[in-house]
Amino acid sequence: NAGVTQTPKFRVLKTGQSMTLLCAQDMNHEYMYWYRQDPGMGLRLIHYSVGEGTTAKGEVPDGYNVSRLKKQNFLLGLESAAPSQTSVYFCASSRLAVDPNEQFFGPGTRLTVL
Amino acid sequence: RKEVEQDPGPFNVPEGATVAFNCTYSNSASQSFFWYRQDCRKEPKLLMSVYSSGNEDGRFTAQLNRASQYISLLIRDSKLSDSATYLCVVKRAGTALIFGKGTTLSVSS
Repeated sequence: NAGVTQTPKFRVLKTGQSMTLLCAQDMNHEYMYWYRQDPGMGLRLIHYSVGEGTTAKGEVPDGYNVSRLKKQNFLLGLESAAPSQTSVYFCASSRLAVDPNEQFFGPGTRLTVL
Repeated sequence: RKEVEQDPGPFNVPEGATVAFNCTYSNSASQSFFWYRQDCRKEPKLLMSVYSSGNEDGRFTAQLNRASQYISLLIRDSKLSDSATYLCVVKRAGTALIFGKGTTLSVSS
C-alpha cells in the first residue's frame, strides 16, 4: 500500500495563478483533511471531508476550495494564489469514527507563491 | 489563547538523557489526546495516544491530567534518532485534530 500520496511535491507559482493539489489514499479511509504548516504556526486545518461528496471548512479555509468526487481522492484548489499561501501543505486521512482516530499524512507539497 | 500550547524548545540533550515535554489544552471538552512526531521536512506520524491512566511504549511514557488540562511526554535514554519535533494533539467530539506548534528535541552524542 502506498498510503497517502500527494502531487506535486514542489511548486512555484506567481501571484494570481491557479493550481490544484491532489491527494490520494489507498486505505479506504472515510475522512480526509488538508492542512497547511507555516513556521511558528503549527499545522492548521484548511478543509476536511467526512465522506465522498462532502466537504467542510476548517480553521483557515479562505482562498481555498476542495472537492471529494471519489472516496480515495481529495483535491485542494487555489483559484488565485497569493504570497500568503506560501506554505507546506499536508493531506491526511483517517478511518471513520475510530478511536484513537489516527491520521495518516502524505509527504507534503511545498508551495511558493512569488 | 491557543487551544493547545507547548514549549517550543529547542531541547538540547545528550544521548542517554531523560527529557520531558509538557502541553496544556484550553477546552475541557477535549476527549482524545495524542503525541505525533515530525522529522525535519517530513510528515507528522502518530507516536502514541495518551490515556487517562497513563501509558508507556518502550522508552516513551505519556501522561494525561484532565483536571489540570495537561499532557506530558517523557523520553528515557534518549537516542540520536529521537531528534525531531513532537506535536501535542487534542480532539473534541465531532471535530478534527487540533495540533500544538510542536516542541523541538535535539539529541547529541
